[in-house]
Order: sequence, then structure tokens, then C-alpha cells
Amino acid sequence: GQSLEQPSEVTAVEGAIVQINCTYQTSGFYGLSWYQQHDGGAPTFLSYNALDGLEETGRFSSFLSRSDSYGYLLLQELQMKDSASYFCAVELNRDDKIIFGKGTRLHILP
Amino acid sequence: NAGVTQTPKFRVLKTGQSMTLLCAQDMNHEYMYWYRQDPGMGLRLIHYSVGEGTTAKGEVPDGYNVSRLKKQNFLLGLESAAPSQTSVYFCASSPGGANTEAFFGQGTRLTVV
Repeated sequence: GQSLEQPSEVTAVEGAIVQINCTYQTSGFYGLSWYQQHDGGAPTFLSYNALDGLEETGRFSSFLSRSDSYGYLLLQELQMKDSASYFCAVELNRDDKIIFGKGTRLHILP
Repeated sequence: NAGVTQTPKFRVLKTGQSMTLLCAQDMNHEYMYWYRQDPGMGLRLIHYSVGEGTTAKGEVPDGYNVSRLKKQNFLLGLESAAPSQTSVYFCASSPGGANTEAFFGQGTRLTVV
């Protein structure tokens, strides 16, 4: 079956940089996405990698390596408002399901 | 622009009761999804639809049914609620295909007692 693995929790200091990794086992997908979810809120889309390499959007960057079945989300200049859960996701090109990882809870220390 | 709207936002059911959760989107998206979210389990796909009149099973479909009679609406039904179905339910929509940006509703918190 398909699966995406992420660390359950990550802690970092305000102003620092943090990387959240995602490894996956899936037979085929369009691309790797990342979502952010604050407590009590809905997931919101952050970024999408269709091709290998780095995509940058402001303080957030995302990376994909299909050959290594691996991706990551990089958050720079951390702010307290970045405290949230982050999910990686893939849309399978065989049946169009969107499958999510279990999420990484990011704790930011002042 | 309302985006994705879920009704209701909260509900308490007794074991064995039935209910329908409604999801409506105004972005003309082809694809719609229902997920449940439980602590430590992430978002698990229940059922999804790739167009009006179509539905398909996700990762955890047992105990749920869905219908997509109109493109903008996706209904999730629980015929006989069980305590194990206590969860937060999220609906999402996307243009589909290679564009995997999904837009989520605000969720329905369901408690089955």
C-alpha cells in the first residue's frame, strides 16, 4: 500500500530554521504537497513539488527527490505563529486519491 | 467567495442514530474528498469523488456512504453511528489531475455517545 512517514514532533527556536522530512512509499503520484494546520483549524495548502528540486515561497521552501522517495519542508526565520502541524501529501496518479502523512507537530520556543 | 462550506459544525449523536454531513463548494472543482482526523492519525481518506455522479472508496470507508448528485455538493452519511466514528470530519475539493491543491472546509466535530 501507500504510506508517508513524518516525524511526529519537532522543536525549534524562534528565528531559527527547521526542516520537516517526509519519506514515502507509493507506486506513482503527480507530486508532493505540504499543508499547515493550526489547532482547531482546517488544513491549508503551503506548497507543491511536481518535479525534483527546491521550490521557494517566501520563508517556506519544499524539496522533492523522487529517486530517494523523499521530500522536506524548510521553514526559515521561524515565528511563533508557525507553531502548527504540518502534513505532507501525495495525489496518486492511478486513482486520484490524495493521501496524507500523520503530520508533524512543530513547537517553537521563544 | 465562500470556498468549501461544511454543515453542521458540531453534532452529538447517540449510538445507532443516522446523520448526513453536507459539503458544498463554489469553486467549480471536479474532485471532492471526505477525511476524518483523529489524534495522532493524521487525515484519513473516507470516500472521494472525481466528478458529478461518481464516488470511490478511500482508506477507511466502512460505516460510511457518500453521494455526489450535484457537482458542488458531496454528502457523507452515517447509517448507524458508532462511538468509533467520533472524530473531526473534513471535506475538501480540488481541481483534480496534476493540481493537488486541496481546499478544506472548517470541519465537523462529531461525537457519538
